[in-house]
Amino acid sequence: DAKTTQPNSMESNEEEPVHLPCNHSTISGTDYIHWYRQLPSQGPEYVIHGLTSNVNNRMASLAIAEDRKSSTLILHRATLRDAAVYYCILSKTPSGTYKYIFGTGTRLKVLA
Amino acid sequence: DTGVSQDPRHKITKRGQNVTFRCDPISEHNRLYWYRQTLGQGPEFLTYFQNEAQLEKSRLLSDRFSAERPKGSFSTLEIQRTEQGDSAMYLCASSSPLGVSTDTQYFGPGTRLTVL
Repeated sequence: DAKTTQPNSMESNEEEPVHLPCNHSTISGTDYIHWYRQLPSQGPEYVIHGLTSNVNNRMASLAIAEDRKSSTLILHRATLRDAAVYYCILSKTPSGTYKYIFGTGTRLKVLA
Repeated sequence: DTGVSQDPRHKITKRGQNVTFRCDPISEHNRLYWYRQTLGQGPEFLTYFQNEAQLEKSRLLSDRFSAERPKGSFSTLEIQRTEQGDSAMYLCASSSPLGVSTDTQYFGPGTRLTVL
């Protein structure tokens, strides 16, 4: 199963953009890139996912490298509520393996 | 809101006791997953169901663990003869890949188990 690598922690100032990187050098052509975040004592919350093209939703943007070996989750204006552990995960299409393999994620600290 | 729900949210038990957790997935989601998360780590996959069929089990799921999804709706996870090492957050997720291109899972709030 393809693995992802993320920095252990990052800091950002409130109301500034945050770029959270993820490396997935062994990604296969059918792997989707999912991002989740987890607040203390809560389950992971879906943020965004993509395959090849950059994606935007109300929570964040996902920028995917042309070779797909890395991606970046972009929070356009960090708030204190964005402080969480962010996980980058590869998932297969429905014909593949369905389980998620989580790493230790990136703990984002937002400074007021 | 009809998200994934889990019950109980917290469970404290003594070593050697049996415990059972329940997960109610999002309505009409045909896939259901169980994960376990210990402090400071990401969630680890335990098992998943498609409808009522249990299709994959992790090696983490020892013979003391059993999961069921009898009617393809809610699921239960039972741990027999609990050990202190079973203390963790147990997370349930569901998904509905039919008609979509990938399998986005939606997680419940988890059940935190403490074994004394």
